[in-house]
Amino acid sequence: GDSVTQMEGPVTLSEEAFLTINCTYTATGYPSLFWYVQYPGEGLQLLLKATKADDKGSNKGFEATYRKETTSFHLEKGSVQVSDSAVYFCALLGGSNYQLIWGAGTKLIIKP
Amino acid sequence: DTGVSQNPRHKITKRGQNVTFRCDPISEHNRLYWYRQTLGQGPEFLTYFQNEAQLEKSRLLSDRFSAERPKGSFSTLEIQRTEQGDSAMYLCASSAPGGHGELFFGEGSRLTVL
Repeated sequence: GDSVTQMEGPVTLSEEAFLTINCTYTATGYPSLFWYVQYPGEGLQLLLKATKADDKGSNKGFEATYRKETTSFHLEKGSVQVSDSAVYFCALLGGSNYQLIWGAGTKLIIKP
Repeated sequence: DTGVSQNPRHKITKRGQNVTFRCDPISEHNRLYWYRQTLGQGPEFLTYFQNEAQLEKSRLLSDRFSAERPKGSFSTLEIQRTEQGDSAMYLCASSAPGGHGELFFGEGSRLTVL
């Protein structure tokens, strides 16, 4: 079945460092891909998405490119801030068209 | 627009008791989802409504769990005869027509079964 694998956390970085959180997937067909973020004490919220190969999703300085050849959707940010500390979830929407398949999440800690 | 609202935010109960959670989605959203999340894991799908129709229920969900969305607006999730393994965060999300995968989540209802 469809699945999503994320790098294990926590990932600890200093402010202004470059961030990459790896996400790879297994799916039949052509899924849509998503990154969600969960800030401490808040609900999950959509960060960015990409619906087809080579699409780049971007929001709040974060970017991720849908790479079909490597079945990856890695999250990147050029210069992280303390306020980016959160748990980040990669997810895919496959053929069912309603049920998201989620990764386990990666906790990001940014130190000032 | 007040977003997705869930209550209670935290419920502590004794094993064997019944609990009910309520979710009020964003008003124009026709799709409503329930998920369960435990520490260090991604959300686990429980069930999905389109308007008032329950279109899918996870086969992992025991028959102690039931959900309703009587008028296609708010939804309730009831857990009967709770067990300690039911302790988790229960998440509700809604989405607009055509908004596949673009879910708006509430802050969740945390269940602790003693």
